[in-house]
Amino acid sequence: KNEVEQSPQNLTAQEGEFITINCSYSVGISALHWLQQHPGGGIVSLFMLSSGKKKHGRLIATINIQEKHSSLHITASHPRDSAVYICAGRFMDSNYQLIWGAGTKLIIKP
Amino acid sequence: DTAVSQTPKYLVTQMGNDKSIKCEQNLGHDTMYWYKQDSKKFLKIMFSYNNKELIINETVPNRFSPKSPDKAHLNLHINSLELGDSAVYFCASSPARWGHRDYGYTFGSGTRLTVV
Repeated sequence: KNEVEQSPQNLTAQEGEFITINCSYSVGISALHWLQQHPGGGIVSLFMLSSGKKKHGRLIATINIQEKHSSLHITASHPRDSAVYICAGRFMDSNYQLIWGAGTKLIIKP
Repeated sequence: DTAVSQTPKYLVTQMGNDKSIKCEQNLGHDTMYWYKQDSKKFLKIMFSYNNKELIINETVPNRFSPKSPDKAHLNLHINSLELGDSAVYFCASSPARWGHRDYGYTFGSGTRLTVV
């Protein structure tokens, strides 16, 4: 069964802290996506990974294919980073549909 | 100059009514999608069109009918609305069909549908 699991479900941190959100998935993934959903509801695609590491500003995403695990890191976190972060896997045997994790609600306090 | 635009942003309607949500993208993408976000915040795919061709049709009630007049538009029509249809519906687009190339997505801002 194609599954994507995220942890933690909720995360509260102080401004400036280094943030890590984890995502694990079952076999057969062709790509993993990280998305951000703002409190207003809009969804932004952050990264798409099939191997290695990607960086954009203060955001870093890594994926370990052998361990079936991906992490999203935020350096020097800021209150505007407060959002729900979602990982989603694209599985080769499900017509390449995306299977979504439950999301991690991140709150950064000033 | 919004990349993926959905209208309306909010929709409140009575049970039994028929309503449509419109989606347009000006990115030149070939593929468009409709997702439903339920109360638990899970995003579930409903439909996907590639160049006006239906490529994904998930198990949704046949009261939901997508229509793609051209590759820049994908509208969602819902007949005989029910209370359980209340959710946020997201439109998205990507440059190419899944499984052919790996590309990311651009999402619309969502339509919050409330059925009363």
